[in-house]
Amino acid sequence: NAGVIQTPRHKVTGKGQEATLWCEPISGHSAVFWYRQTIVQGLEFLTYFRNQAPIDDSGMPKERFSAQMPNQSHSTLKIQSTQPQDSAVYLCASSLDPGVTSDYTFGSGTRLLVI
Amino acid sequence: QQKVQQSPESLIVPEGGMASLNCTSSDRNVDYFWWYRQHSGKSPKMLMSIFSNGEKEEGRFTVHLNKASLHTSLHIRDSQPSDSALYLCAASCRTGGYKVVFGSGTRLLVSP
Repeated sequence: NAGVIQTPRHKVTGKGQEATLWCEPISGHSAVFWYRQTIVQGLEFLTYFRNQAPIDDSGMPKERFSAQMPNQSHSTLKIQSTQPQDSAVYLCASSLDPGVTSDYTFGSGTRLLVI
Repeated sequence: QQKVQQSPESLIVPEGGMASLNCTSSDRNVDYFWWYRQHSGKSPKMLMSIFSNGEKEEGRFTVHLNKASLHTSLHIRDSQPSDSALYLCAASCRTGGYKVVFGSGTRLLVSP
């Protein structure tokens, strides 16, 4: 069990460029969550998939952020026209079944820096 | 929109002392609570979970849950310097589609 795998570990982009972050959940886990963590805002919920279907994207800044889960083995978070305020650690977590008392396992995160 | 409030924001305890951390949900429909620990530069790791009223103990760690007051607490006895970390409380509820919401955390420093 390799755990939740996130790539890349670090990404530096210029203001206005696009950034794509990848997450590979634990095999067999049905739910994938994306969070953003900063010192000021803490750990913010972005979006959530269950069995590849989007369930809740209430935390996503609508205009520039999008997330997909094309198959059960990976999810992507895309940020268009990146801004300095997008700089954060982006964390992906997966769970066996969020409807029952299962735990959530986080990946190591992608540290995004927009300059 | 469910919110999870944690207190205190930061806490310093001497080595060997007791640390007590608090967490309250704003959503009366909250079903599940978790406590996560995040060491500096690392991702959060699940420490303990509690889903029913009462108390649960695992080694030096004890969690309490009172669903009527939407409150959970984490107590660490015989605190060690290695316990120094950010402690995050998380909650989810059925009516929220089991979206997991985290509090801002309590930063614990155990002084040798």
